[in-house]
Amino acid sequence: SQTIHQWPATLVQPVGSPLSLECTVEGTSNPNLYWYRQAAGRGLQLLFYSVGIGQISSEVPQNLSASRPQDRQFILSSKKLLLSDSGFYLCAWENSNGQPQHFGDGTRLSIL
Amino acid sequence: GQQLNQSPQSMFIQEGEDVSMNCTSSSIFNTWLWYKQDPGEGPVLLIALYKAGELTSNGRLTAQFGITRKDSFLNISASIPSDVGIYFCAGHPSGGSYIPTFGRGTSLIVHP
Repeated sequence: SQTIHQWPATLVQPVGSPLSLECTVEGTSNPNLYWYRQAAGRGLQLLFYSVGIGQISSEVPQNLSASRPQDRQFILSSKKLLLSDSGFYLCAWENSNGQPQHFGDGTRLSIL
Repeated sequence: GQQLNQSPQSMFIQEGEDVSMNCTSSSIFNTWLWYKQDPGEGPVLLIALYKAGELTSNGRLTAQFGITRKDSFLNISASIPSDVGIYFCAGHPSGGSYIPTFGRGTSLIVHP
């Protein structure tokens, strides 16, 4: 069966520090991968999605970036974090277009 | 882009009561999905609907794909304390992007 892993589960970072959140999927090939941010426990804001290795689409301009170095690996990064980057970050995957997405357990990011 | 109107925004009910929430769209959707998010975790898929008029149950949960393809509802019967969480509707719009559109969520609190 397919599983998705996100880490770390929680992260506290100072303003201006870099960020790297990792997401991996097991048990499937060539999934569509997504990064969302959720503020204050409500609403999912789509940040990035990827349909294949090296293919990244950005939905919201910001100081975050995403990369997909391997088929089942999706990384969210920032060179310099802002206070407004605080939130709950969720990775999701789907087998193919139009199928339900499945989410990881999320990373709680706090910026000090 | 597509918009999903999910209501109510929040519900405070007594244990044992039935719950109903819905999502509407101004445009036609090909699929409707319902997720539940427990505090501090990622959303989990509850029910997926693929045909207009489809009525699907998952235990005490029942969801329907509206005949007009512009709405869906989720009912929870005989609520229990562990039903607490945020419920999200999502769907894939017809003729549009394969990326799902999410509602803003319904926060459910069940009093014992």
